[in-house]
Amino acid sequence: NAGVTQTPKFRVLKTGQSMTLLCAQDMNHEYMYWYRQDPGMGLRLIHYSVGEGTTAKGEVPDGYNVSRLKKQNFLLGLESAAPSQTSVYFCASSYRLRSSTDTQYFGPGTRLTVL
Amino acid sequence: QQQVKQSPQSLIVQKGGISIINCAYENTAFDYFPWYQQFPGKGPALLIAIRPDVSEKKEGRFTISFNKSAKQFSLHIMDSQPGDSATYFCAARRSSGAGSYQLTFGKGTKLSVIP
Repeated sequence: NAGVTQTPKFRVLKTGQSMTLLCAQDMNHEYMYWYRQDPGMGLRLIHYSVGEGTTAKGEVPDGYNVSRLKKQNFLLGLESAAPSQTSVYFCASSYRLRSSTDTQYFGPGTRLTVL
Repeated sequence: QQQVKQSPQSLIVQKGGISIINCAYENTAFDYFPWYQQFPGKGPALLIAIRPDVSEKKEGRFTISFNKSAKQFSLHIMDSQPGDSATYFCAARRSSGAGSYQLTFGKGTKLSVIP
């Protein structure tokens, strides 16, 4: 099992450019999440999905769009990148909520720099 | 409004000492409290978690202490080792109602264990 994988690992964009980050999981998880991590800010939820074909906004959704066309994939899009979107992006996945556990498994991250 | 406050921001402990990281939360609907460990260049990974029906949970050298009335919980690392050097995040989640799918993270504590 590869777990949660993210593509690409690094990317540099110019202001106004667009790009898509891909997250894939092979654990048959229902739920998937996109976070951003900034120094001193912890992890903040951008968008999440509770199943194939569904998406919902998290804490900091502005400037991002997502799609979950297949259960195993969750895409994060930046339509017009801004320097404020320079960050490390993490994807995570988890099983359907259970009564006792809710482990979110994280990918290795994508480091994005917007110039 | 930050719902989970974590302290300290950074911590230096000598090998063999006890590392203590504290978190406080505001939302009494939270009922699941995990701690995540993150090494440089990696994604966070679940370390240990607790529910509020117990006051303490121990797994090896790692212990969570939970004080429901004070709305506080803490991570204790006994016999700290240089390999424990990482950033630690506390988090909280509610099982039902608005935002029940989301983990709210603290801002993180960078632990350095020196020989």
